[in-house]
Amino acid sequence: KAGVTQTPRYLIKTRGQQVTLSCSPISGHRSVSWYQQTPGQGLQFLFEYFSETQRNKGNFPGRFSGRQFSNSRSEMNVSTLELGDSALYLCASSITGGIGNEQFFGPGTRLTVL
Amino acid sequence: QQQVKQSPQSLIVQKGGISIINCAYENTAFDYFPWYQQFPGKGPALLIAIRPDVSEKKEGRFTISFNKSAKQFSLHIMDSQPGDSATYFCAASSFYGGSQGNLIFGKGTKLSVKP
Repeated sequence: KAGVTQTPRYLIKTRGQQVTLSCSPISGHRSVSWYQQTPGQGLQFLFEYFSETQRNKGNFPGRFSGRQFSNSRSEMNVSTLELGDSALYLCASSITGGIGNEQFFGPGTRLTVL
Repeated sequence: QQQVKQSPQSLIVQKGGISIINCAYENTAFDYFPWYQQFPGKGPALLIAIRPDVSEKKEGRFTISFNKSAKQFSLHIMDSQPGDSATYFCAASSFYGGSQGNLIFGKGTKLSVKP
C-alpha cells in the first residue's frame, strides 16, 4: 500500500508570491490534516479536511487555505508569502480522523521563502 | 491551555540504556496521547499511543506511562539502540466533535544513542 505522497518535495519562492502544495492520502483514507513544522514553533496544526469539508482549523492567518477533492487528495495554498512562512509542510491522512485512527504523515514539502 | 510541554530538549543515552522523555498538558479535554518518531528528511511516524483509561501501554521496547491526575505522560525506550537516534514528539488531542485531526505537539526531544 502506497504511503502519503506530497508534491513538490522542495520549493523556493519569493516574498509576495503564492504557492500551492499537494497531498495524496493513503488509498481509502478520507481525512487529511496539514501541519507546519519550523525549528522555533515545532509542529503546528493548520487544518483538517474530511469528505471535501474543512472540519478543523488551527490558528493561522487567512493567507493559509486548503481544499479537498472528491478523491480525498488535498491541496493547501499560501498567498502573499512572507519570510516566516519558510517551513516544512506536512500532511497526514487517516481513515476518518476519528477515535483510534492513526495519522500517517507524508515526507513533507520544504518551502523556502526568499 | 492548548500547550503540551515536552522535556528534555535533547538526550544522550548509552546503547542498552533507558531513554525517558516527559510531557505535560493542561487541557483536561485531551483524551488521546500519541508519540511520534521523526528521522531527518522524513515525516513523523506513530510509535505508540495511549488513551487516558489506562496508566501504561507497552509495545516492544517502547512504553507509555500515563498519570491522569498529574496530567503527565512519558515515553520509556528500553535497551536503547543507535537506530533509535531520532527526534521524538509527544502529542495530544481531543476526540470531542469526533475528530483527532488536530494534534497538539510538544516541541520535540532529540535523542542520540551512543554505541
